Amino acid sequence: DADVTQTPRNRITKTGKRIMLECSQTKGHDRMYWYRQDPGLGLRLIYYSFDVKDINKGEISDGYSVSRQAQAKFSLSLESAIPNQTALYFCATSDLMSRTGDWSTGELFFGEGSRLTVL
Amino acid sequence: GIQVEQSPPDLILQEGANSTLRCNFSDSVNNLQWFHQNPWGQLINLFYIPSGTKQNGRLSATTVATERYSLLYISSSQTTDSGVYFCAVGTTDSWGKLQFGAGTQVVVTP
Repeated sequence: DADVTQTPRNRITKTGKRIMLECSQTKGHDRMYWYRQDPGLGLRLIYYSFDVKDINKGEISDGYSVSRQAQAKFSLSLESAIPNQTALYFCATSDLMSRTGDWSTGELFFGEGSRLTVL
Repeated sequence: GIQVEQSPPDLILQEGANSTLRCNFSDSVNNLQWFHQNPWGQLINLFYIPSGTKQNGRLSATTVATERYSLLYISSSQTTDSGVYFCAVGTTDSWGKLQFGAGTQVVVTP
């Protein structure tokens, strides 16, 4: 079984519908992230959470919301989907790492991705 | 925020060839990671390498933090190396968030 699991893997929906993408992890990491990938672009951060009570906006949070239900679960919601939210969405997890006293995000582990199409 | 540029944007290789991918960044970093996205979309972490050199099989990476670049070497390429390679960087001011480059698309032909 994958360490980071996303559901659904594929979803086609219509404009205005509410959509939830779910992510669960068995790696025991505190840090969880939602990224969006569009063709020809890198990954852009939507939201991130460093522990259960911590939620932060990324660079493209407009039109999205998240919920951190437990250390292992982080959900992304599109309250009213629009066509330009058609993209590949990735959940990721990481731990903290310390290099010579400088704390930073450790290795990032990704789920398999959720392909969302909004018609 | 920090700028990340990857080059080349596209690369076509014959099986068995060697290649070098480059990642330039505009500020000091305390975090740099390389990822491979296979043709099925799966993203795999290749290296955590904010400085120094690491090797893993036919892949190796070197980060020269003082000169703000990192290199990913693919030796004796195989068709399974095809996909997109991303570098991502973080700084002390980014609170653990990583900024991704646009990637290098690699196609390895038989």
